[in-house]
Amino acid sequence: KQEVTQIPAALSVPEGENLVLNCSFTDSAIYNLQWFRQDPGKGLTSLLLIQSSQREQTSGRLNASLDKSSGRSTLYIAASQPGDSATYLCAVGTNAGKSTFGDGTTLTVKP
Amino acid sequence: NAGVTQTPKFQVLKTGQSMTLQCAQDMNHEYMSWYRQDPGMGLRLIHYSVGAGITDQGEVPNGYNVSRSTTEDFPLRLLSAAPSQTSVYFCASSWGPDTQYFGPGTRLTVL
Repeated sequence: KQEVTQIPAALSVPEGENLVLNCSFTDSAIYNLQWFRQDPGKGLTSLLLIQSSQREQTSGRLNASLDKSSGRSTLYIAASQPGDSATYLCAVGTNAGKSTFGDGTTLTVKP
Repeated sequence: NAGVTQTPKFQVLKTGQSMTLQCAQDMNHEYMSWYRQDPGMGLRLIHYSVGAGITDQGEVPNGYNVSRSTTEDFPLRLLSAAPSQTSVYFCASSWGPDTQYFGPGTRLTVL
């Protein structure tokens, strides 16, 4: 059974810092990995999707990497801003459309 | 495009009652999924579908039924509500095993 772990569970940083969120998974037979953002009381917004054949994806200040063989992914956020405060979730997916989520990292960026 | 829509936004049920959570998407996505999210946790897959007429169980299917008669709609039925089903329910859709788009969620309380 696939298990996804996100460390740390919570993170507080001052504005402007660069930071890294971690995601690990137990079964390397994944099709893709997706990072989401969730604001309190809201749904999920997709940030980045990495296919299993890719090593990284970038969007603006966000960069996600994938090391399938070691079962790890990182989400790098550059020059953090208070508007980045949210919960970040990673999910690993199979080609059958099944996704397994981690419990998320709650990020607080202080002005 | 309205994207993924879910109704109702909020619902309170008594133990033993049944109800249907509605999910619809207007993006012609083949894949649709239902998740539940409990406080402080990630999402757990309930049921998913890779096309009209095709459904399969996820991680936590007990107490829930689904059917997929059209590409657009994927309703989730609670057969006999229990307090353990108190949660936030999210519906998602995607083009195949690709980027998932989420609805705003339904907050369900079972008394």
